Amino acid sequence: SQQGEEDPQALSIQEGENATMNCSYKTSINNLQWYRQNSGRGLVHLILIRSNEREKHSGRLRVTLDTSKKSSSLLITASRAADTASYFCATEGYNTDKLIFGTGTRLQVFP
Amino acid sequence: KAGVTQTPRYLIKTRGQQVTLSCSPISGHRSVSWYQQTPGQGLQFLFEYFSETQRNKGNFPGRFSGRQFSNSRSEMNVSTLELGDSALYLCASSSNTGGDEKLFFGSGTQLSVL
Repeated sequence: SQQGEEDPQALSIQEGENATMNCSYKTSINNLQWYRQNSGRGLVHLILIRSNEREKHSGRLRVTLDTSKKSSSLLITASRAADTASYFCATEGYNTDKLIFGTGTRLQVFP
Repeated sequence: KAGVTQTPRYLIKTRGQQVTLSCSPISGHRSVSWYQQTPGQGLQFLFEYFSETQRNKGNFPGRFSGRQFSNSRSEMNVSTLELGDSALYLCASSSNTGGDEKLFFGSGTQLSVL
């Protein structure tokens, strides 16, 4: 079964707007990662946040993690048409080396 | 460094046949994971290999199997194909040096079962 559930399932915005997507998970984790997938292609790693971190930035990306609520959010600021893709969260649990992926959010950015 | 390479890119098979997919990880990466992606089920973990040993396994029937060679290249095999096996099969590698590993994905093999 999926570890993560993402919300919303789909998001449409205009270029220049911010996009926020959320991820909830079920069990305790070592870290949480976000990946991006362009249609029909492989996933690309975006950012990793450890369980003892609350916020992390990378360029136009901002990730937050709330372990008490078992949730994370990914914010993409000043979005571009090239950001159009599906975004997945993935969690690494305790005592395991496998990453379990969420259901994904499809982001469409209109020029 | 070259990225993760998966072959073939597309594959069409009929029910009952078997198929073998190949994955060459990034040079120096010893861990290879396989995922199945479908519109209905999303990304499902199949198995992970490290140094030729299966280290983790997902909830898939025994028709799905894999192996890893001494050069870290990996193959997965699906026997007695069913229509529901149609999916994008993704391979990912990592260096697995201990903790906070990120995965590097190939472009996938799109399998269609007719």
